[in-house]
Amino acid sequence: GNSVTQMEGPVTLSEEAFLTINCTYTATGYPSLFWYVQYPGEGLQLLLKATKADDKGSNKGFEATYRKETTSFHLEKGSVQVSDSAVYFCAPYYNQGGKLIFGQGTELSVKP
Amino acid sequence: SQTIHQWPATLVQPVGSPLSLECTVEGTSNPNLYWYRQAAGRGLQLLFYSVGIGQISSEVPQNLSASRPQDRQFILSSKKLLLSDSGFYLCAWSWGQANTEAFFGQGTRLTVV
Repeated sequence: GNSVTQMEGPVTLSEEAFLTINCTYTATGYPSLFWYVQYPGEGLQLLLKATKADDKGSNKGFEATYRKETTSFHLEKGSVQVSDSAVYFCAPYYNQGGKLIFGQGTELSVKP
Repeated sequence: SQTIHQWPATLVQPVGSPLSLECTVEGTSNPNLYWYRQAAGRGLQLLFYSVGIGQISSEVPQNLSASRPQDRQFILSSKKLLLSDSGFYLCAWSWGQANTEAFFGQGTRLTVV
């Protein structure tokens, strides 16, 4: 069946460090790919998205590129801030059938 | 604008009792609807999803069921709750197109005692 795997956390970084959170998905069909973020005490919200191969989604300094050849959608940010501390979820949406699944989440903690 | 309502916010139920959680969406038609469970410190587990009235897909075999009696209403049910059903349940909707995001309800914290 369809599945998504993302890097286990927690990830602890110092402010201004480089961030990568890995995400790979099963390639049944041609999913759209999303990253959601959940800040402490808040609900899930969309961070960025990409809907076809080689597309790059970006928002708030975060980027992720749809890599069809490696079935990956890794999240990156060049310089993290304390305010980026949150849980990040990779989520492929399988167009045929309308299934939206989430990875297990990666908790990021940024220290000043 | 579109809104999603999920209730109740918290619920404490004894083992063996029935469950009914309701989710409604306003301001759109024929949305995709989803039920997830989020365990503490873990990700969102997809339980059920629906692309139309009466169309329910189940992801995880368990003692829960879902129904969509109206276009914008999604109900999560159980005839007899288990202790393991405790958790945080989230309802979500999307337009069902490849490039649209999902929007989440506020969630229901269910504790089975």
